[in-house]
Amino acid sequence: GAVVSQHPSRVICKSGTSVKIECRSLDFQATTMFWYRQFPKQSLMLMATSNEGSKATYEQGVEKDKFLINHASLTLSTLTVTSAHPEDSSFYICSAPDGGTDTQYFGPGTRLTVL
Amino acid sequence: QKEVEQNSGPLSVPEGAIASLNCTYSDRGSQSFFWYRQYSGKSPELIMFIYSNGDKEDGRFTAQLNKASQYVSLLIRDSQPSDSATYLCAPRGGSTLGRLYFGRGTQLTVWP
Repeated sequence: GAVVSQHPSRVICKSGTSVKIECRSLDFQATTMFWYRQFPKQSLMLMATSNEGSKATYEQGVEKDKFLINHASLTLSTLTVTSAHPEDSSFYICSAPDGGTDTQYFGPGTRLTVL
Repeated sequence: QKEVEQNSGPLSVPEGAIASLNCTYSDRGSQSFFWYRQYSGKSPELIMFIYSNGDKEDGRFTAQLNKASQYVSLLIRDSQPSDSATYLCAPRGGSTLGRLYFGRGTQLTVWP
């Protein structure tokens, strides 16, 4: 199947700093990518839909000024958590639909810990 | 609100048994249905997908879809301890680039 990568896999930062997470589709182009957050023992929560060449679409209750999304190319989307706080500590996962195979693939996730 | 309900877990089966995972969805516009497996601390990985009513088999896995009843299921034959994970049912709307809707998942434990 297609491959989606994320970087970094794990990050620890101090409260108040910003953290950037990259999501790449390695062998297919993705005009759309999705960003999820998952707290321990809870279900996946869609945060936003990243669209190449246009603004991201955020789910209700997600602060767009805090979670900045940039879909820079057909293979790269970035999520920046600005002024991170301990409550932002979570597992962030991106996914990308491969129109060629009509399937959506997930990246390996980024575990963020804010001290 | 597009709801996805999965049978409450945890589900525990002995090695070699059949595990049955069920899912109902509220959006009649859903066209395709995906099953993902998520190991603890890892991201979801695709098991299989189904579009048409009926059964679809892939190795030890069989997905069943009944759009009239808005019901989709996953059967795992000859369950192995390595199948122990959380299973996520995810319907998708019409577009092939559309978002998936996830339920809370069913945690499966296969004991030796």
